[in-house]
Amino acid sequence: SQKIEQNSEALNIQEGKTATLTCNYTNYSPAYLQWYRQDPGRGPVFLLLIRENEKEKRKERLKVTFDTTLKQSLFHITASQPADSATYLCALGGYNKLIFGAGTRLAVHP
Amino acid sequence: EAGVTQFPSHSVIEKGQTVTLRCDPISGHDNLYWYRRVMGKEIKFLLHFVKESKQDESGMPNNRFLAERTGGTYSTLKVQPAELEDSGVYFCASSPGTAVATNEKLFFGSGTQLSVL
Repeated sequence: SQKIEQNSEALNIQEGKTATLTCNYTNYSPAYLQWYRQDPGRGPVFLLLIRENEKEKRKERLKVTFDTTLKQSLFHITASQPADSATYLCALGGYNKLIFGAGTRLAVHP
Repeated sequence: EAGVTQFPSHSVIEKGQTVTLRCDPISGHDNLYWYRRVMGKEIKFLLHFVKESKQDESGMPNNRFLAERTGGTYSTLKVQPAELEDSGVYFCASSPGTAVATNEKLFFGSGTQLSVL
C-alpha cells in the first residue's frame, strides 16, 4: 500500500544545533516533493520544493535532500532557533494533487 | 495582498445538522483546493477546482459533502447531514496556475475547526 512516513514523535533539540527531519514514502514515484511548516491554529506555509532530478536544495538555514532510490527526503534546519518550533510536513507532488505526510513536531529549546 | 481566508474559524454542531464552510482564495488564483485533517492523521485531499469547474473530487468522503465554486471566486463546502466522523480541520488552499503541473506552491488558509457532537 502507499504510505508517507514522518517521525510521529516530536523532535526535541537544543538551540543552535541542526534539526534533521525525515520523510519516507512507499509505492509512490513523486515528480517533486515540497516541505511546509505549520504552526498551531494556522494553515501550512510553503518552505521548499525539490524535483526528482535534484539531489539537494538550500534556502538560508534550510536544506532539503531527495533520494529517489531510497525513497526518502531529509529536511535540515541549521543553527536552529526556538522560533523554528513548529510541525513540518512533507508533501509529494505529481499526482494532480499534493499528498501530505502526517508531519513531525519540532521543539527547539533555549 | 490578502491571503486565503476561511470562515468560520470554528464551528460546533450536533450530529444531523448542516454546516457550510466558506473559502475566499487569493484574488486571481484559478486553482482552489479543499483538504481535511482528522485528529492525529495527515492532511487529506478532498477536491480541486479550476475556476468554477471541479477538476478532481476523488477525495470527497461521500455524498453528504457538496462543494461549489460559483463564478470561479469563493468556494463553499457543505456537509449535510453532519456525522461524528466529519470532525476535523478543513483547509482551503489556492494557487495561480496548475500547481501540480507547474510545481507551484499552495497558499493555505488557517482552516475551519469543525466539531460534530
